[in-house]
Amino acid sequence: AQSVTQLGSHVSVSEGALVLLRCNYSSSVPPYLFWYVQYPNQGLQLLLKYTSAATLVKGINGFEAEFKKSETSFHLTKPSAHMSDAAEYFCAVSIAGRRALTFGSGTRLQVQP
Amino acid sequence: EAGVVQSPRYKIIEKKQPVAFWCNPISGHNTLYWYLQNLGQGPELLIRYENEEAVDDSQLPKDRFSAERLKGVDSTLKIQPAELGDSAVYLCASSLMAVGETQYFGPGTRLLVL
Repeated sequence: AQSVTQLGSHVSVSEGALVLLRCNYSSSVPPYLFWYVQYPNQGLQLLLKYTSAATLVKGINGFEAEFKKSETSFHLTKPSAHMSDAAEYFCAVSIAGRRALTFGSGTRLQVQP
Repeated sequence: EAGVVQSPRYKIIEKKQPVAFWCNPISGHNTLYWYLQNLGQGPELLIRYENEEAVDDSQLPKDRFSAERLKGVDSTLKIQPAELGDSAVYLCASSLMAVGETQYFGPGTRLLVL
């Protein structure tokens, strides 16, 4: 069975600072990995996904994530935080045998002016 | 292109009452998902459809929850009777059938059971 762990339920950064949201996964087979963002009272929007092509994945809004098999990690980064980045971020994994996503518990990002 | 549509957006009911949620997926998406999202947590799968067939419903509490996807397009999720613990956000998502395809989510239905 696959699982996802997001370290840090709340992360606070200053505007313009580096954003780093951590995600570790567990899967017995090669996974597909996703980062979604959720704004208040809205559904989830895809930021980026890893599907076994390049290990460094670029997404929307300046975010990127690097797949590290040896560390079973897929951390999300953004060089410079913007106020509009404040939201809940979810890491998720799916495998070939079960296409439904397994989500982490989420990380709430706060951006301070 | 229209996204995933869900209705209603909000629903308040008293416990033991029935409730139904409706989802219209993105045109051409043959896979449809219902997820449950409790406050402060990530979504959890309730049921997955491929066309009209429910292919993964192991997490659906079948004593009170039911779902259908007639004609392989729209879907309805029903709870009867609702309990206090059912208060949550119910998310619908759709995708193409291939492995690794992006799931597109609707805005969700926020249910409050009093």
